Amino acid sequence: DGGITQSPKYLFRKEGQNVTLSCEQNLNHDAMYWYRQDPGQGLRLIYYSQIVNDFQKGDIAEGYSVSREKKESFPLTVTSAQKNPTAFYLCARSMLVGGELFFGEGSRLTVL
Amino acid sequence: KQEVTQIPAALSVPEGENLVLNCSFTDSAIYNLQWFRQDPGKGLTSLLLIQSSQREQTSGRLNASLDKSSGRSTLYIAASQPGDSATYLCAVLTTDSWGKLQFGAGTQVVVTP
Repeated sequence: DGGITQSPKYLFRKEGQNVTLSCEQNLNHDAMYWYRQDPGQGLRLIYYSQIVNDFQKGDIAEGYSVSREKKESFPLTVTSAQKNPTAFYLCARSMLVGGELFFGEGSRLTVL
Repeated sequence: KQEVTQIPAALSVPEGENLVLNCSFTDSAIYNLQWFRQDPGKGLTSLLLIQSSQREQTSGRLNASLDKSSGRSTLYIAASQPGDSATYLCAVLTTDSWGKLQFGAGTQVVVTP
């Protein structure tokens, strides 16, 4: 799994519901990231975290929230305020910000 | 803001031919550049990371070059195989957008037997 695990792989949500995506890493890396991928587009950064209890907004943070209470975990909540949440979500880790990124297998969210 | 472009969006080559993939970026103040491979429905696999002080990086059949002055990186894959079929993405980390890797849209490659 490359030291990083995302779950669930697929999920469906009704409009108006919040949903939380899980991301766990077991390599003691400081930095973790959430990206969104839409068909035919490059990845866009939602949030990243350099250390526990700290995180920074990326380019498309509106409608999303994160927490970093433990070093190994960086969950992403897609809130009902996100206008177009159907997408492929990818979590990544790096030893430090600026280091080589390693990605999880992704979670595909579909809003019905 | 850093803009990253990959042209062409798709290409097809016969098995055995060398692959040349292009990545261009607008801001030369980069910290590093990373090449990834993505199979359909999967996450990204890191191929090569080039630091701004490096001109190239090699791993097996893969070689990536970096020319900051012209805003270009090229990924060469020697003697392509059908298993090389995938989408290849480049991503750039700029010194004034710390933590925010900017991705190109990718080049979809098909290697035909």
